[in-house]
Amino acid sequence: GQQVMQIPQYQHVQEGEDFTTYCNSSTTLSNIQWYKQRPGGHPVFLIQLVKSGEVKKQKRLTFQFGEAKKNSSLHITATQTTDVGTYFCAGNSGTYKYIFGTGTRLKVLA
Amino acid sequence: DAGVTQSPTHLIKTRGQQVTLRCSPKSGHDTVSWYQQALGQGPQFIFQYYEEEERQRGNFPDRFSGHQFPNYSSELNVNALWLGDSALYLCASSLAGPPYEQYFGPGTRLTVT
Repeated sequence: GQQVMQIPQYQHVQEGEDFTTYCNSSTTLSNIQWYKQRPGGHPVFLIQLVKSGEVKKQKRLTFQFGEAKKNSSLHITATQTTDVGTYFCAGNSGTYKYIFGTGTRLKVLA
Repeated sequence: DAGVTQSPTHLIKTRGQQVTLRCSPKSGHDTVSWYQQALGQGPQFIFQYYEEEERQRGNFPDRFSGHQFPNYSSELNVNALWLGDSALYLCASSLAGPPYEQYFGPGTRLTVT
C-alpha cells in the first residue's frame, strides 16, 4: 500500500536557525497537505499543494511540491519558539483518503 | 463560527467493551473523516462519511463502524475493544469538493485497560 515517509524524525535547532523537513511518497500524489500539531494538540492545516513543482510561501514557511509529485518539503527560516511542534505531510492519490507521514518533531532551543 | 467539536474528551474502557465517539463538523462542512493517532505516530485514516454514507475506508477491521446524521454530525463506534485501540481519535471536517482542507477537532483520548 501507499506509504509516506518523513525525515528527519526529530530536529533540535537553536532559535534563529533554519529548519527543513522532507516528505516522500511511494506513489505519485494528486495533492499534498501540510499540518502542524503542537504538543497535546490536534493537527492544524497549513497548506495544500497541487501542481507539479509548486512553491508556496507563508511568511517564514516555504512549501515545495516535487516535479514528479512524489515528494515535498517544508522549510522554516529563522525558527522561533512558537514553531515548536510536529509537522506532518499528508498525501492524496486521487481518492478521498489522506495518508499522513511519520512526522518531524521540531524543538527550538531559546 | 464554531469549529469542529468532539465528545467526550477522555474515555476509559475495559477490553471487550464497546465505545461511541461523537463529532460535530465545522459550520458549512458536509464531510467528516475519522483518524486514529497512536502516541508518537501520524494520524491513520479510518473512514470518511459524506451524504450519510461511508465514502472510503482505510485499513481498519469491521469492529470500527460509523454513521453520519442529516445535520452532518458523525459517530464512530468501536466494538470488542482491544488494548491496541488505545489512541487519540480525531475527527476532521471538510467540504466535499476542493480544496479539501481538513479542520481537525481536539480529539477523544481513549484508553483501553
